[in-house]
Amino acid sequence: KQEVTQIPAALSVPEGENLVLNCSFTDSAIYNLQWFRQDPGKGLTSLLLIQSSQREQTSGRLNASLDKSSGRSTLYIAASQPGDSATYLCAVSPQNQAGTALIFGKGTTLSVSS
Amino acid sequence: GAVVSQHPSWVICKSGTSVKIECRSLDFQATTMFWYRQFPKQSLMLMATSNEGSKATYEQGVEKDKFLINHASLTLSTLTVTSAHPEDSSFYICSARVGHNTEAFFGQGTRLTVV
Repeated sequence: KQEVTQIPAALSVPEGENLVLNCSFTDSAIYNLQWFRQDPGKGLTSLLLIQSSQREQTSGRLNASLDKSSGRSTLYIAASQPGDSATYLCAVSPQNQAGTALIFGKGTTLSVSS
Repeated sequence: GAVVSQHPSWVICKSGTSVKIECRSLDFQATTMFWYRQFPKQSLMLMATSNEGSKATYEQGVEKDKFLINHASLTLSTLTVTSAHPEDSSFYICSARVGHNTEAFFGQGTRLTVV
């Protein structure tokens, strides 16, 4: 059964710092991996989608990498800002399970202080 | 990206009543929609997978008679919490995607409080 783990569970950094969020998954048979942002009491905003054949994706100050064989992904946030404070969720789309639902990690709660 | 609209964003209801939550894909046709439940400081737990025109597939431990899911069109799925109890209070989120390797889009979520 696919399991997704995110480390650390929480992270506090000063504004301007570069940071890395980690995601690992137990089964490398995935279609893709997606990173989301969730603000308190809100839904999920898709940040980046990496297909299984890709190594990385970039959007603005965000860069996500994928090493499918080792079951790892990282989300790199450059020059962090207070507005980046939120919970970041990693999710995979498994190949060998019925349906196409995503399997989520528990998230990393990021706090950026000004 | 595509937009998934979920309504209402919050609802308070009395124990024993039923509540309906709607999930619409506004600018694309979603053959499959998903319903998740999220407890405070926890991750999203899949409740059921909803395919247009067919019965929903429920995850183990989810009562299908309590959480009724209808996917009558390619743009609308509904979740009805029947005979709600305080333990049903939670954050419910819907999601839609077109295929296996496409991006998943989420609604804004519904905060249900049963008193």
